[in-house]
Amino acid sequence: LAKTTQPISMDSYEGQEVNITCSHNNIATNDYITWYQQFPSQGPRFIIQGYKTKVTNEVASLFIPADRKSSTLSLPRVSLSDTAVYYCLVGRPPYNTDKLIFGTGTRLQVFP
Amino acid sequence: EPEVTQTPSHQVTQMGQEVILRCVPISNHLYFYWYRQILGQKVEFLVSFYNNEISEKSEIFDDQFSVERPDGSNFTLKIRSTKLEDSAMYFCASSEGGWGGYTFGSGTRLTVV
Repeated sequence: LAKTTQPISMDSYEGQEVNITCSHNNIATNDYITWYQQFPSQGPRFIIQGYKTKVTNEVASLFIPADRKSSTLSLPRVSLSDTAVYYCLVGRPPYNTDKLIFGTGTRLQVFP
Repeated sequence: EPEVTQTPSHQVTQMGQEVILRCVPISNHLYFYWYRQILGQKVEFLVSFYNNEISEKSEIFDDQFSVERPDGSNFTLKIRSTKLEDSAMYFCASSEGGWGGYTFGSGTRLTVV
């Protein structure tokens, strides 16, 4: 499984766009990039998954450059309720049911 | 939106006692998992379960742990003789093996005193 590196923490204000970058230099050809969100005392929640270029859903966008050695989770116009820990995971293609390996994640604090 | 339901939400037990943590996965999911998170630490994989048997287990999942799917809906984690270091949030998760990742429950906070 590819090792990932994310900032330990980030601060933002309501209404701003937040970009969290994850480095995964050893990503394998078949690896996908998946992001999870975890609120305090809650289980992680799947946000978005992608392989290359850009993926967008109702919650976030995921930008993946051509070399796939990094990825950026973009949260548009954050609110206080986006305060959470965000995890970048690499290595679980869709339809793969292997265990998830969580790192320490990025703790995002949104201020009013 | 379908949910994974865990009970109880909180459990306090004395060291050496047995506890059973219960989970109701999403009904059409076939893959089930237990994870735990000690306060302030990472989410750690414990065990995966498919087709009524363990698919994979971590080194944390030693002989004091067991899992069972006693009927068509419940998925349980049993800790036979709890230790202080078993105090953690325990999360159940399920997956249908497709897009959308895993769905996690809200967890059971286990406190061993």
